[in-house]
Amino acid sequence: ETGVTQSPTHLIKTRGQQVTLRCSSQSGHNTVSWYQQALGQGPQFIFQYYREEENGRGNFPPRFSGLQFPNYSSELNVNALELDDSALYLCASSYGGGGPQETQYFGPGTRLLVL
Amino acid sequence: GQQLNQSPQSMFIQEGEDVSMNCTSSSIFNTWLWYKQDPGEGPVLLIALYKAGELTSNGRLTAQFGITRKDSFLNISASIPSDVGIYFCAGRPLGSQGNLIFGKGTKLSVKP
Repeated sequence: ETGVTQSPTHLIKTRGQQVTLRCSSQSGHNTVSWYQQALGQGPQFIFQYYREEENGRGNFPPRFSGLQFPNYSSELNVNALELDDSALYLCASSYGGGGPQETQYFGPGTRLLVL
Repeated sequence: GQQLNQSPQSMFIQEGEDVSMNCTSSSIFNTWLWYKQDPGEGPVLLIALYKAGELTSNGRLTAQFGITRKDSFLNISASIPSDVGIYFCAGRPLGSQGNLIFGKGTKLSVKP
């Protein structure tokens, strides 16, 4: 069974730039959720994708957007980067589109630094 | 954003000691999960709880879903050096669409 993978592992960008982060879900999973984890904090929910559509969104501005592909992999795009966007971005995969007993399994994350 | 109240923030214990940490929320949750995160890694699932009152063990780890559905605890018995890391509780609020709410974490340090 293949676990959740993310790329790249690290990334450095400057303010105003755009970034794309990628996630491959665990084998058999059809739902991908993205989280932002600032240093010393717990992960914060950005959004979830199920069947290639956004299935729920946290309190993040529209410059955070995403995609899910037919093979259930996903991208997180962030436009007009700000210094506060520096964080560990985590992808979690699950099966079932966000049901109450769904368990999410996390990837290793992408560390983004915005200068 | 919304977060759970997780305590303690950090713990320094001797190898062999037992550890207890807990999480509370102001609203009802229908799922409680406990994760461990090592530096530079993503959270790894330890225990998942789905019913009020449920008590589940995973080796030396035991967790319970509180009866009020607003709290959960995690116990680690006979701690060992590899237990070092940050432990997060996470819950799914009643009626939410998939997202997990996380606590701020409990940093565990174990002295050999």
